[in-house]
Amino acid sequence: DGGITQSPKYLFRKEGQNVTLSCEQNLNHDAMYWYRQDPGQGLRLIYYSQIVNDFQKGDIAEGYSVSREKKESFPLTVTSAQKNPTAFYLCASSLGVLGYEQYFGPGTRLTVT
Amino acid sequence: RKEVEQDPGPFNVPEGATVAFNCTYSNSASQSFFWYRQDCRKEPKLLMSVYSSGNEDGRFTAQLNRASQYISLLIRDSKLSDSATYLCVVNRNDYKLSFGAGTTVTVRA
Repeated sequence: DGGITQSPKYLFRKEGQNVTLSCEQNLNHDAMYWYRQDPGQGLRLIYYSQIVNDFQKGDIAEGYSVSREKKESFPLTVTSAQKNPTAFYLCASSLGVLGYEQYFGPGTRLTVT
Repeated sequence: RKEVEQDPGPFNVPEGATVAFNCTYSNSASQSFFWYRQDCRKEPKLLMSVYSSGNEDGRFTAQLNRASQYISLLIRDSKLSDSATYLCVVNRNDYKLSFGAGTTVTVRA
């Protein structure tokens, strides 16, 4: 079964703690993305990666970091510098970035108190 | 101006009805257009790509109007299972995607 997995589904953390969200895909896609979704807003791009060992900042990268050491994996770390980390985080992948459809994982709901 | 704007709705329709809604986009150079469906507290799922000539997939029809910079989605013979939020997605100059905030459709029995 090809697809994208994210874990955990729900995550609770205290302020000041870093937390890492997992994203794995077995679709053999080159490009991977991280978005956050807040109520009533469209998805906003945090980081994306077109190829292994390369990644670019999206529109709201401050307070986040990523790595892309393997084609299948694109973990996101939410650091204590992120001012409003509570959100629904979605990972996606696509064949490439040039207008291709993106496919999403089931998401991780992060709550920071 | 937002890159992609959608009427949030909700559009409340009875089963079997036809419902249609649009989204407008600001970048006249956009080349790729999609409709995604998102159920409550779930991930977006690709419903259909939108082509210049318009396209149909079963009960769903998508149209693109480049002159007025909008795309539309029409759902015929609505089912209860069509209740969802529909996201309009358009590519930007840098080929990344811009997502609208969504149009909510509720189909009632």
